[in-house]
Amino acid sequence: GEDVEQSLFLSVREGDSSVINCTYTDSSSTYLYWYKQEPGAGLQLLTYIFSNMDMKQDQRLTVLLNKKDKHLSLRIADTQTGDSAIYFCAGTLYNTDKLIFGTGTRLQVFP
Amino acid sequence: DAGVIQSPRHEVTEMGQEVTLRCKPISGHNSLFWYRQTMMRGLELLIYFNNNVPIDDSGMPEDRFSAKMPNASFSTLKIQPSEPRDSAVYFCASSLPALRQGRKDTQYFGPGTRLTVL
Repeated sequence: GEDVEQSLFLSVREGDSSVINCTYTDSSSTYLYWYKQEPGAGLQLLTYIFSNMDMKQDQRLTVLLNKKDKHLSLRIADTQTGDSAIYFCAGTLYNTDKLIFGTGTRLQVFP
Repeated sequence: DAGVIQSPRHEVTEMGQEVTLRCKPISGHNSLFWYRQTMMRGLELLIYFNNNVPIDDSGMPEDRFSAKMPNASFSTLKIQPSEPRDSAVYFCASSLPALRQGRKDTQYFGPGTRLTVL
């Protein structure tokens, strides 16, 4: 089955860029997703990328997809303290409605 | 729309008691998912429904767990009897039909129910 891995922690200074990485095993996902979870809240969809795209930009967010290496990344430009949260990447298990989530990366932004 | 609604937000109970978690999906969504989140195991899919029918319950830990969706606007997750290891945050999520949505599988999460079993 699908396995999705992320680094557990990332700490950045306010104003710098953050890059959160994700690797996955199942290349059949049509879409790949980034979700954000703030303390005490559910997951919120941040952005997604169609599997035949290499890059998608959405304001401060840039998603890069390397299908050959099965690597997905989320870049947050000009990181703010409000960006502190846990970020999950997710992909679809082939031929199902199931999303497989990564372990989550806790982003901490310090002034 | 109010989003996915879950109740209660917090539940504290004693081992052996029955626990019922409730979820109201977003109106018009035909898929509903129950997840469990713990520090040790991360986010796990327990079960999901399409058009009120359970499609995959392979993530349900054991027979103590059961889920129902009697209609399109309501689902329950029941644990009987509860055990301390069931302590976790339980999330419900819903999604639109694939064709209408254009991007299949975009799930909208509720705020979760934090369950503590003593």
